[in-house]
Formats: sequence, C-alpha cells, structure tokens
Amino acid sequence: GAGVSQSPSNKVTEKGKDVELRCDPISGHTALYWYRQSLGQGLEFLIYFQGNSAPDKSGLPSDRFSAERTGGSVSTLTIQRTQQEDSAVYLCASSRRSSGDYGYTFGSGTRLTVV
Amino acid sequence: AQTVTQSQPEMSVQEAETVTLSCTYDTSESDYYLFWYKQPPSRQMILVIRQEAYKQQNATENRFSVNFQKAAKSFSLKISDSQLGDAAMYFCAYNSGAGSYQLTFGKGTKLSVIP
Repeated sequence: GAGVSQSPSNKVTEKGKDVELRCDPISGHTALYWYRQSLGQGLEFLIYFQGNSAPDKSGLPSDRFSAERTGGSVSTLTIQRTQQEDSAVYLCASSRRSSGDYGYTFGSGTRLTVV
Repeated sequence: AQTVTQSQPEMSVQEAETVTLSCTYDTSESDYYLFWYKQPPSRQMILVIRQEAYKQQNATENRFSVNFQKAAKSFSLKISDSQLGDAAMYFCAYNSGAGSYQLTFGKGTKLSVIP
C-alpha cells in the first residue's frame, strides 16, 4: 500500500482479555518494527522483523507479548491477559533498508486502553 | 546504551516567529545518524529532517534546519516562520549506524503555535 496501515485505530479492552493489533507495511519494505509509546514517554522498541530472518524480540516487555509476521508482509502483535500498564499507543513502522540509517515510515498507531 | 535527551517537555511560539527545540545524546560512535520526527494529533510520526554525523554541514528542509554540534553531542531543530500546522510533538532520534536497525528516541517536546 501507499503507507503503513494499522488496525484498529483505537481499542478498548477489559483487563485480562487478549488483544491483537495488526500492521500492514509498505509494499516492498522488508523491515518491520513495533514500538510502544506510553503517556509522557518516548518510543520504546518492542520487536524487529527483517525478511525471513529470526526476529529481534529483545524489546518485548513480558512473555504476554508476542508478534508474528506472515509471508514477509502483514504483522500481528498479540498481548495476552492485558494489564492496565499495557495502555499505550502501539506504533508500527517499516523500511526498505534493513538498517535504520534512513529512518522509518510509521503508521498512525493503535491506541490501546485497558479498563 | 545510547540515550537521547530532550530537556524541554513543552514549548510555545508565536505564529511567524522562530523556535528552537533542543536535543542532546550520548554515544561513543563516530559515525551515526540523527533525526527529528513530528507527531501531530493524527499520531503518525513524520520524518522532518535527517543528519549524517560525518557531514559537517547542517541539514536543512525548507523552514526546518538543525544545529548539529558533534563535539557537544547536541542536535537542535530550528523552525522558522512557524505555522499553525507546526503544532505537534517533536521527537529527536538516534541511529548508531553500522547496519544497526534501532532508533532510540527522546521523550519529545510538545510545540504549541500561538496565532
């Protein structure tokens, strides 16, 4: 597509429920990133996918968080047993290059609210 | 680990005036990349300007320019002739180069433009 598409735009969920956040990167971009933006904080790296290589999951905050990328394109971030501290904006980005030296193109994010 | 510090949580500027947003960073690398991203209420992070550390010349994009002081590890953004559409969160970001894919972000500066 023309840009990075994320869905849903907003999600309200009850504590303890599972949620799935979707990211559709720009066509031809092999690198895909997930970041979390909490209120008053900068962006926190979560996970990086590059082509068919094993993802870098070093930023995932707990084992309740997981992500996959199917067919080298669409990615899903799953949060199990959501907690109130998971409330944040989850941003997805993609890039044509495997390195970040030209920055990324971001989507508009999913605002997750856990009540 | 690299850190990026934005010491001004909020700034304001009169329309048509000039404002400077500050950013400092910590690194032991000699070649790296710096960015300023703009995040309007739509939440989509937009790349404003990019600087390559090995280039002495300060990057410029229309009304946006940077003052890159490598020795001082300072990377400030100057917005000239401020417009209402410039109101947004601005994030400074760092990439260590050498194939690294991560961007490290500061906590952001909220810029208000007063008509």
